[in-house]
Amino acid sequence: NAGVTQTPKFRILKIGQSMTLQCTQDMNHNYMYWYRQDPGMGLKLIYYSVGAGITDKGEVPNGYNVSRSTTEDFPLRLELAAPSQTSVYFCASIPVEDGANVLTFGAGSRLTVL
Amino acid sequence: AQSVTQLGSHVSVSEGALVLLRCNYSSSVPPYLFWYVQYPNQGLQLLLKYTTGATLVKGINGFEAEFKKSETSFHLTKPSAHMSDAAEYFCPRRGGTASKLTFGTGTRLQVTL
Repeated sequence: NAGVTQTPKFRILKIGQSMTLQCTQDMNHNYMYWYRQDPGMGLKLIYYSVGAGITDKGEVPNGYNVSRSTTEDFPLRLELAAPSQTSVYFCASIPVEDGANVLTFGAGSRLTVL
Repeated sequence: AQSVTQLGSHVSVSEGALVLLRCNYSSSVPPYLFWYVQYPNQGLQLLLKYTTGATLVKGINGFEAEFKKSETSFHLTKPSAHMSDAAEYFCPRRGGTASKLTFGTGTRLQVTL
């Protein structure tokens, strides 16, 4: 099925643990994004990538890292999990040629840090 | 900085009543604007978008929005609410490099009998 796939859907971490949220898209989109959603705060951009090998920080990058070795994959890594990183994480993508920028979103990954 | 303001974090309407969700943006140039809907425990789905041309934009599920440059607004309306419209609604705008979307805080729509 074409679209953006995120894994895992749910995860509970202890403070200080590390983990990687996976994001894969099969639409050959060049631009990919990671957002976090907190209640009453909307979505905030963590990191984005305009193509393989190119990444850049968004509004709230602290505590996260990303890589983009292929067009399809854009994993988000949490090195030392903190309670403030409890959130729902969304990956999204667009084709670079789409001037109207209709993002395709994944279903989300709900992370709880205890 | 360019921003989006959604007025009212919670809106409650009766089934069959008019839905009006308000969105204002700050910008010195006409933006690309969108409305997305998020049903519980799901991702975001596009309702409609404004890029250029006609200022009244029709979307899915009977929703429409009108871009008013003089008021810097892009309010979402639906003539008759249905129970299935209960969800959270966002009106992000495109801005800056790499086609990034800037989101408002969202409006949660409740539909009552």
